[in-house]
Amino acid sequence: DIQVTQSPSAMSASVGDTVTITCRASQVITKYLAWFQQNPGKAPKRLIYAVSNLQSGVPSRFSGSGSGTEFTLTISSLQPEDFATYYCLQHDSFPFTFGQGTKLEIK
Amino acid sequence: EVQLVESGGGLVQPGGSLRLSCAASGFTFRTYRMTWVRQAPGKGLECVANINEDGSEKLYVDSVRGRFTISRDNAQNSLFLQMNSLRVEDTAVYYCGRYWGPDLWGQGTLVTVSS
Repeated sequence: DIQVTQSPSAMSASVGDTVTITCRASQVITKYLAWFQQNPGKAPKRLIYAVSNLQSGVPSRFSGSGSGTEFTLTISSLQPEDFATYYCLQHDSFPFTFGQGTKLEIK
Repeated sequence: EVQLVESGGGLVQPGGSLRLSCAASGFTFRTYRMTWVRQAPGKGLECVANINEDGSEKLYVDSVRGRFTISRDNAQNSLFLQMNSLRVEDTAVYYCGRYWGPDLWGQGTLVTVSS
């Protein structure tokens, strides 16, 4: 099984900041790594698919990068609506596994 | 409108059964792989079962294999999750998702396993 370690588990930032969230996999992921945003009481929303592809309708301040076993989500110029919990998901190899989540809070 | 709508959640005693349904609309359901993801209260996301387009391939996480069965009816644009021998630790909001890295999610249905 591929284990996915997401960091940090929580962070605080201010509107306008740039933040980076990292997911590290225990084995190489070839392509299928996605990022999701979840607000309290709501279903997750996909932001990035296949490592670096921006989901239609998602603002361009969200970007994904990485390869092999290390992947990052970067949010530039944070907006008030970006304060939420973020998850990565590897669906390259079953069982598909989510990272533990990163709660992004306003400083 | 493109959407997924789950139903069937509720309160059940340990050892009991529930059948979740997910109604798809606004897209060609039969051409998509589908998934069930759950989230225990205050916890993260867990992918529990996946099914391919025609239902010939079904994948389960270890914790539910042998107890849960994923299925689909492409004629009715519906996805199902039959859950048997339910345990307290199965308590969660269950989401259906389109594709294996879901680009579309339902609103979720709460399953509570408690005596």
